Amino acid sequence: DAGVIQSPRHEVTEMGQEVTLRCKPISGHNSLFWYRQTMMRGLELLIYFNNNVPIDDSGMPEDRFSAKMPNASFSTLKIQPSEPRDSAVYFCASSSARRSGNTIYFGEGSWLTVV
Amino acid sequence: AQTVTQSQPEMSVQEAETVTLSCTYDTSESDYYLFWYKQPPSRQMILVIRQEAYKQQNATENRFSVNFQKAAKSFSLKISDSQLGDAAMYFCAYLVEEGGSEKLVFGKGTKLTVNP
Repeated sequence: DAGVIQSPRHEVTEMGQEVTLRCKPISGHNSLFWYRQTMMRGLELLIYFNNNVPIDDSGMPEDRFSAKMPNASFSTLKIQPSEPRDSAVYFCASSSARRSGNTIYFGEGSWLTVV
Repeated sequence: AQTVTQSQPEMSVQEAETVTLSCTYDTSESDYYLFWYKQPPSRQMILVIRQEAYKQQNATENRFSVNFQKAAKSFSLKISDSQLGDAAMYFCAYLVEEGGSEKLVFGKGTKLTVNP
């Protein structure tokens, strides 16, 4: 099986622009997570979906952030408008209690720099 | 609320020696999972080892093993015969299932340096 696939791997954008990060989870996994990693705050859970439904979005920093999962094989995390403090590595991860025994597998991350 | 504490921000070890990274967690659940992830400079999160709380036997993966003390809520990682490639950030993580959904909580990480 292919792992969790994220795109873009790196993005540099100007403040105020819209940023869209994409994720394809491992086939058959029914839980999907978006994490953000910064030096100051470490790894933070932003949102997680179960069976395409957002279950917990309490980690989403503010209304500028939104996430969708239109089907089992695709999710997006959007930031609009972006700000320099959004610069971070954004990870998508997926799991399935049945197939992976609750192990969460991570993508390679999307490095976002907002200037 | 579930929390994970890694009390050692940085550790160092000589190549070929053994090092132990500590982790404690706080939970009121009885059924959960614990993990150690490795993050090299590439930033990829790599699963090192996992432990189911209902299993008393400590998990082992080659040179990596854990000391799981459920009553003490402790989950340390031992790396034997350390290699230069083991240098990375190591994150302890706790996962709990709630109402059919899952939540993974990470510690702040321990930066491991391996000296030649």
